[in-house]
Amino acid sequence: GAVVSQHPSRVICKSGTSVKIECRSLDFQATTMFWYRQFPKQSLMLMATSNEGSKATYEQGVEKDKFLINHASLTLSTLTVTSAHPEDSSFYICSAPRQGRSNQPQHFGDGTRLSIL
Amino acid sequence: GENVGLHLPTLSVQEGDNSIINCAYSNSASDYFIWYKQESGKGPQFIIDIRSNMDKRQGQRVTVLLNKTVKHLSLQIAATQPGDSAVYFCAENIPGNQFYFGTGTSLTVIP
Repeated sequence: GAVVSQHPSRVICKSGTSVKIECRSLDFQATTMFWYRQFPKQSLMLMATSNEGSKATYEQGVEKDKFLINHASLTLSTLTVTSAHPEDSSFYICSAPRQGRSNQPQHFGDGTRLSIL
Repeated sequence: GENVGLHLPTLSVQEGDNSIINCAYSNSASDYFIWYKQESGKGPQFIIDIRSNMDKRQGQRVTVLLNKTVKHLSLQIAATQPGDSAVYFCAENIPGNQFYFGTGTSLTVIP
């Protein structure tokens, strides 16, 4: 069964809306989680590393004020797309490493498809 | 693993044939590699991994080969089945850093 749960799976909303996506580790603690973005027929692009109890680390070119990350507990990280616009429409996926170390296989959520009208 | 703007290469194979999917990685410091399978509308699923102190690792119907000299990774799927149709990604990990994903290959199995 799934060990990383992502919610919601699909969001359709108007331009200017802020959207929160949750990523939960179900039966293990995750001090680190990763957020990816994927456009159709393209690979996963790492957006940021979510760190429990501290600030997220963003990849170059990712606006931290646009994509707010909160990792408030050992099992939950949230990504908020603030004032979303059509160009933010994408598939957002989170992951958490097994055994709490970044150099271990990661469990992925099933993604959130975000469509901004 | 930077691949902004690239579109997925495709591979079509007949059911029962073997498939070989290739990946070139970018950083010679990467010491851990994973192959993932992604079905439409879902997150990636772990298939097999290999560390840089090995050049081959086998799983059930899958084999990963690593050539560090040319920074190349391949995934071989034996007796490919329709359920193997998906997009396959390699991911590289540099010690102390995150995973970065390759371009991906879309595999279609023809019954």
